[in-house]
Amino acid sequence: AQKITQTQPGMFVQEKEAVTLDCTYDTSDQSYGLFWYKQPSSGEMIFLIYQGSYDEQNATEGRYSLNFQKARKSANLVISASQLGDSAMYFCAMRERGGADGLTFGKGTHLIIQP
Amino acid sequence: EAGVAQSPRYKIIEKRQSVAFWCNPISGHATLYWYQQILGQGPKLLIQFQNNGVVDDSQLPKDRFSAERLKGVDSTLKIQPAKLEDSAVYLCASSLGASSYMNTEAFFGQGTRLTVV
Repeated sequence: AQKITQTQPGMFVQEKEAVTLDCTYDTSDQSYGLFWYKQPSSGEMIFLIYQGSYDEQNATEGRYSLNFQKARKSANLVISASQLGDSAMYFCAMRERGGADGLTFGKGTHLIIQP
Repeated sequence: EAGVAQSPRYKIIEKRQSVAFWCNPISGHATLYWYQQILGQGPKLLIQFQNNGVVDDSQLPKDRFSAERLKGVDSTLKIQPAKLEDSAVYLCASSLGASSYMNTEAFFGQGTRLTVV
């Protein structure tokens, strides 16, 4: 079974609109961490935001926020006021307490911001 | 602060040849990861080092892939012999390495794009 599922292969969004990128995960661990990374065409993975399984509040980092619904095992990324520079691949990833601490990634969502 | 350095950026080889990639992590980062990212997919962990010891290599195809991290700093990943399906971007990442801290982020290099023909 997929550990991380991102159901949107691609999205087109108008500049300045908010966008939600979906991520669902599968784990039997009680302690885990969820990450979102951005990968522009240059190839480097850029860390955006982190949510711990025991965090009671949704994480926020500037224009990025994470809509964490633990019971539904979802961790959607919300980008407010999108910008042209937000066009990139976005990956959701998980670290589980029970395993080694390498990240397990989803297949990603290709986000294109249109002017 | 200098980021994770990788070289080369691009490599084209014929199948059955060998190839090596180099990674220099961020200074002071004890944990180093190698990921394989096939086109259209997310990165897949190949191997994780803590200092110069291997923590996880469960997804490394050990019949053809090898990796080492001498002196707990730089690392090399080797493929011998290469197959067509090894065409991918190979990403190196490093972190402070506190596996007890779930929120420890990994910093990635720009990757090496390997094409096997």
